[in-house]
Amino acid sequence: EAGVAQSPRYKIIEKRQSVAFWCNPISGHATLYWYQQILGQGPKLLIQFQNNGVVDDSQLPKDRFSAERLKGVDSTLKIQPAKLEDSAVYLCASSPSVGRNEQFFGPGTRLTVL
Amino acid sequence: GDSVTQMEGPVTLSEEAFLTINCTYTATGYPSLFWYVQYPGEGLQLLLKATKADDKGSNKGFEATYRKETTSFHLEKGSVQVSDSAVYFCALASRGYSTLTFGKGTMLLVSP
Repeated sequence: EAGVAQSPRYKIIEKRQSVAFWCNPISGHATLYWYQQILGQGPKLLIQFQNNGVVDDSQLPKDRFSAERLKGVDSTLKIQPAKLEDSAVYLCASSPSVGRNEQFFGPGTRLTVL
Repeated sequence: GDSVTQMEGPVTLSEEAFLTINCTYTATGYPSLFWYVQYPGEGLQLLLKATKADDKGSNKGFEATYRKETTSFHLEKGSVQVSDSAVYFCALASRGYSTLTFGKGTMLLVSP
């Protein structure tokens, strides 16, 4: 079974530029999560999708971050414009459904904002 | 709100030493508790979990017991290996929700 795929693995941009990350969850998984992991901290949930609907985006900085999950499969997370404090690893995870199921994580995208 | 507190690292051990990584939590109700491991360059992997008080989760020689009275979920292993070197995250999910709240992580370094 293929795991959660993410791309790119690394991205370096200048502040005020825009960037997008892509995630393809495990086939058949209805729930998809985006986390932000700042160096030295644990992952923090940005947004949770159930199929193509948003379940929780309370911690997503909506003035600059956006995410979509068209057709309920893969997802993109965008930052526009980026700030220095957005430097982090962005993790995507999926699980079969909402509930206390195991979440399967992708390898993450490391973003550096200069 | 929910929170998880882990001991700060790095924890440096010699191979075959005993490992304890402390984790305490604050949550309403009775959360599920997890330990995730992150090897260098990889994503997080679920190591073990416990869903109710006094449950013991175990995997790959690691164990953790859900202690409601002390709101703790300490990770232990009797004999660590060099290959156990990684960052370990304690996490919780409040009952009825799937959102995970993570601790800051504890780096474990095992030398031969």
